[in-house]
Amino acid sequence: DTAVSQTPKYLVTQMGNDKSIKCEQNLGHDTMYWYKQDSKKFLKIMFSYNNKELIINETVPNRFSPKSPDKAHLNLHINSLELGDSAVYFCASSQEALAGAWEQYFGPGTRLTVT
Amino acid sequence: SQQGEEDPQALSIQEGENATMNCSYKTSINNLQWYRQNSGRGLVHLILIRSNEREKHGGRLRVTLDTSKKSSSLLITASRAADTASYFCATGIKAAGNKLTFGGGTRVLVKP
Repeated sequence: DTAVSQTPKYLVTQMGNDKSIKCEQNLGHDTMYWYKQDSKKFLKIMFSYNNKELIINETVPNRFSPKSPDKAHLNLHINSLELGDSAVYFCASSQEALAGAWEQYFGPGTRLTVT
Repeated sequence: SQQGEEDPQALSIQEGENATMNCSYKTSINNLQWYRQNSGRGLVHLILIRSNEREKHGGRLRVTLDTSKKSSSLLITASRAADTASYFCATGIKAAGNKLTFGGGTRVLVKP
């Protein structure tokens, strides 16, 4: 039973194309996140949604647009892909069980390569 | 710069030895978490320590938190080859939307 799943696992595309990555969690969590991990393994948060409401919106180009149709899904659409968008994108979810404590569950990642 | 900075960046030890890595951060936090990432995989949560806690244990893991020094350490005792992975600290701030900010990670190689 996969807790947080992402599709596709690999995505190879050309500059200028538009692509989407999908994420689903079956943990019943209220909050979902998108992270970008670059080639040096730095992991940076991009967005988070809580119950379909955008909570965190880091400094990310407008070409990136998250969409949360319901609290179990958070998709990431990227317009006009650029070489610098090549990275591994991780989806995660969390639920605050105790005050000040929320662990995140990560998906397996989507490796995006822009050529 | 990253909120969490880890030290060392890489660590190579023999099976059975202990591995210690440190994390420093800059601002007040609600919790600090440690995650493991195996090559080509997603991150796996290891342990969470809240800002009012000083030490936490979980199996072969021991985490300390010193909020006055804004630092944490992760100790893995009696390491195994399967512990080979990258380890990340992440600082959690509730007021920022339950945001986690990750450090650059420590790459640990455990040689059999």
